[in-house]
Amino acid sequence: EAGVAQSPRYKIIEKRQSVAFWCNPISGHATLYWYQQILGQGPKLLIQFQNNGVVDDSQLPKDRFSAERLKGVDSTLKIQPAKLEDSAVYLCASSLEGRVSRAAYEQYFGPGTRLTVT
Amino acid sequence: AQSVTQLGSHVSVSEGALVLLRCNYSSSVPPYLFWYVQYPNQGLQLLLKYTSAATLVKGINGFEAEFKKSETSFHLTKPSAHMSDAAEYFCAVSKHRRGAQKLVFGQGTRLTINP
Repeated sequence: EAGVAQSPRYKIIEKRQSVAFWCNPISGHATLYWYQQILGQGPKLLIQFQNNGVVDDSQLPKDRFSAERLKGVDSTLKIQPAKLEDSAVYLCASSLEGRVSRAAYEQYFGPGTRLTVT
Repeated sequence: AQSVTQLGSHVSVSEGALVLLRCNYSSSVPPYLFWYVQYPNQGLQLLLKYTSAATLVKGINGFEAEFKKSETSFHLTKPSAHMSDAAEYFCAVSKHRRGAQKLVFGQGTRLTINP
């Protein structure tokens, strides 16, 4: 079974530029998550989709961050304009819907995109 | 609100020694608890999870954790450390909401194994 795919793996941009990250979840996984992991910290949830609807985006800085999941499969996270404090690893994860089974509680993570803003 | 606190941002043990990584949780309802491992330049991988079944949970790579409600703890242990265990370990708590699970992670503990 293929895992969660993310691209690019690394990105360096200057502040005030824009950037986009792509994620393709495991086939059949209805729920998709984007996390921000700043160096030395645990991942922080930015946004959670179930199919193509947003479940939780309470910690997404909506003035500069946006995300979409068209057709309920792959997803794109965008930052515009970027700030120095956005330097982090952006992790995508996916899981089966919670009501299906206990196994659905597990989130599977992609390798992440390391963003450096200079 | 759910939260976890990992005691010790860095733990160093000798190869073959006991590994003990500490995690305390705060939750207003019975929690689901998880330990994830992150190797350099990789995503997180699930080690084990507690979902209100047995309090002693066994995971992959010889790790286990015990849920202690009275101590609000979920410490991770491994009897004998191996060099390949060197990584960052994250404890996480989840309050399962209908159709949607939200994980809250601790700050992480970096495990170093000395030869």
